[in-house]
Amino acid sequence: GAGVSQSPSNKVTEKGKDVELRCDPISGHTALYWYRQSLGQGLEFLIYFQGNSAPDKSGLPSDRFSAERTGGSVSTLTIQRTQQEDSAVYLCASSFSGGGRGQETQYFGPGTRLLVL
Amino acid sequence: AQSVTQLGSHVSVSEGALVLLRCNYSSSVPPYLFWYVQYPNQGLQLLLKYTTGATLVKGINGFEAEFKKSETSFHLTKPSAHMSDAAEYFCAVRQSGGYNKLIFGAGTRLAVHP
Repeated sequence: GAGVSQSPSNKVTEKGKDVELRCDPISGHTALYWYRQSLGQGLEFLIYFQGNSAPDKSGLPSDRFSAERTGGSVSTLTIQRTQQEDSAVYLCASSFSGGGRGQETQYFGPGTRLLVL
Repeated sequence: AQSVTQLGSHVSVSEGALVLLRCNYSSSVPPYLFWYVQYPNQGLQLLLKYTTGATLVKGINGFEAEFKKSETSFHLTKPSAHMSDAAEYFCAVRQSGGYNKLIFGAGTRLAVHP
């Protein structure tokens, strides 16, 4: 079956512009995660969706970052008024469920490489 | 709070040699531990994970890792390196509190030379 897909694969934008990054999780996976991978910070958790529960936004670095998940499937990460420090690879992952035991494997997409000029 | 330390940002081995990538963690609760591999311009792929039970965990591509509670370690090994093993490897611990988000180490880039 299809894995996690992300689009676009690469995005170049100008400082101050808004960008939207899309994630299509594996069908049937109820949990969805966004991570950011940057040179200075490594891999950082951003936000987590589990079913219809309120998302865990504790990793979002500023109020310029937001994410939504429509219909329990596709998710969009939006960065408003982009800054150069937002340049990174944004990775999406999904798992069959996310609550409780935490044993479930997270399957990662190929990422979106964002460059803010 | 949980954290992960990977010793050595770069490791270089000869083809056929032992691969040892080090990972130490800190966790106030029994940890769930993971190793992921990332090939250039690709996402992360799970190599193996420890949750409960046997402390020696076998994964894909001939890799294995041993959970040692007394040493708070989860080192990744492979008896004989292959050129195709060249990649970046990340150790991760699941954050406690009923959530499944992962806390990653800084990564170790493995180079394999002939």
